[in-house]
Amino acid sequence: QVQLQESGPGLVKPSETLSLKCTVSGGSISNHYWSWIRQPPGKGLEWIGCIYHSGSTNYDPSLKSRVTVSIDTSKNQFSLRLISVTAADTAVYYCARHALRGVTGNWFDPWGQGTLVTVSS
Amino acid sequence: DIVMTQSPDSLAVSLGERATINCKSSQSVLYSSNNKNYLGWYQQKPGQPPKVLIYWASTRESGVPDRFSGSGSGTDFTLTISSLQAEDVAVYYCQQYYSTPYTFGQGTKLEIK
Repeated sequence: QVQLQESGPGLVKPSETLSLKCTVSGGSISNHYWSWIRQPPGKGLEWIGCIYHSGSTNYDPSLKSRVTVSIDTSKNQFSLRLISVTAADTAVYYCARHALRGVTGNWFDPWGQGTLVTVSS
Repeated sequence: DIVMTQSPDSLAVSLGERATINCKSSQSVLYSSNNKNYLGWYQQKPGQPPKVLIYWASTRESGVPDRFSGSGSGTDFTLTISSLQAEDVAVYYCQQYYSTPYTFGQGTKLEIK
């Protein structure tokens, strides 16, 4: 059974860079799309972007200028980098798998447990 | 972007009664080539990640109780819980995966009356 685990700093200073990793266990990172999704405290879900094992990416246009998602198939990991963060980027960040192989347009399953990142000086 | 709008924002239902949550998309999420609605429903309990309940608008995920059902097509969708159980207290989200950016509804908080 595939499991995902986010890791990275829980506190980032304003204007600095948020970096998170998602480690995939129990299955290969190949042949699926993988996404980052975030949820500000007490608010709803926002899709950030996704990546395929080939390295092909797709981002939310509102974040595209600040976001990079990358993948390391040898480590079964993919990563999120968000530059120039502000308090508005404070959120629980989730990584998730696109449920169907080889297709980007489908639902997210499974999800990681999420990691809270607070942007504060 | 496709905007997903859920109603109501919150809902209180008695145990054993029916709960109905609506989701409307700003454009159709029905893909004509395969006649599938690119719409999913998730349940999120406090401190947990969302869990998929329904995909393709009406297909129940394995292991999800059959009191959960999804219906609708095009732009209007419904999640129904036929007989509310205490463990169903959660926030429910719809999500379209028809086109990027993938978008979610604002969530509906379901409580016990």
